[in-house]
Amino acid sequence: ETGVTQTPRHLVMGMTNKKSLKCEQHLGHNAMYWYKQSAKKPLELMFVYNFKEQTENNSVPSRFSPECPNSSHLFLHLHTLQPEDSALYLCASSQVGGKISGELFFGEGSRLTVL
Amino acid sequence: AQTVTQSQPEMSVQEAETVTLSCTYDTSENNYYLFWYKQPPSRQMILVIRQEAYKQQNATENRFSVNFQKAAKSFSLKISDSQLGDTAMYFCAFSNNDMRFGAGTRLTVKP
Repeated sequence: ETGVTQTPRHLVMGMTNKKSLKCEQHLGHNAMYWYKQSAKKPLELMFVYNFKEQTENNSVPSRFSPECPNSSHLFLHLHTLQPEDSALYLCASSQVGGKISGELFFGEGSRLTVL
Repeated sequence: AQTVTQSQPEMSVQEAETVTLSCTYDTSENNYYLFWYKQPPSRQMILVIRQEAYKQQNATENRFSVNFQKAAKSFSLKISDSQLGDTAMYFCAFSNNDMRFGAGTRLTVKP
């Protein structure tokens, strides 16, 4: 079993749909992250949770709503998305957030297509 | 805000040869870490190598080494004896709190 698991791996949704991405980590880490990966662009940090508390919201539109019920689970709720939101969404975890030397452990990503 | 720039969108190298991937960054901080991550096709991103800014000695991990030039804010990755399994996207990253990434370099190792 991999350390960070993301589901679903692929998601196609219409602009009026509501869907959620799920991330689970089995590494005992206390920080979890959502990144957006678009072609030919730097990875965009979206949200950071440290000990279940959101510590960063990087000016993400409100149509993306994160939820972190515990240190092992992270969700990204999607509502009224736009075609430009199509991307690979990566979840990552680290032992503690805000630690500059902390290695990130990534999931395989959820490929989202918005029609 | 810190930015990370990878100026080579794509590169290729022959198997067994050496290739260097470039990365520059911009920061006013003095204490930070730099990373190279590898993302194989359809697989998870994994850490390749890490450099602490206060260390002058360049980090090495087997066939992977870095050339860290702090004054120039440059952090290149050298892959020696390239293997087919090195084919991947390579991301340079900077961290002094949360991690920021470059746009990546797609490396293809040719047989």
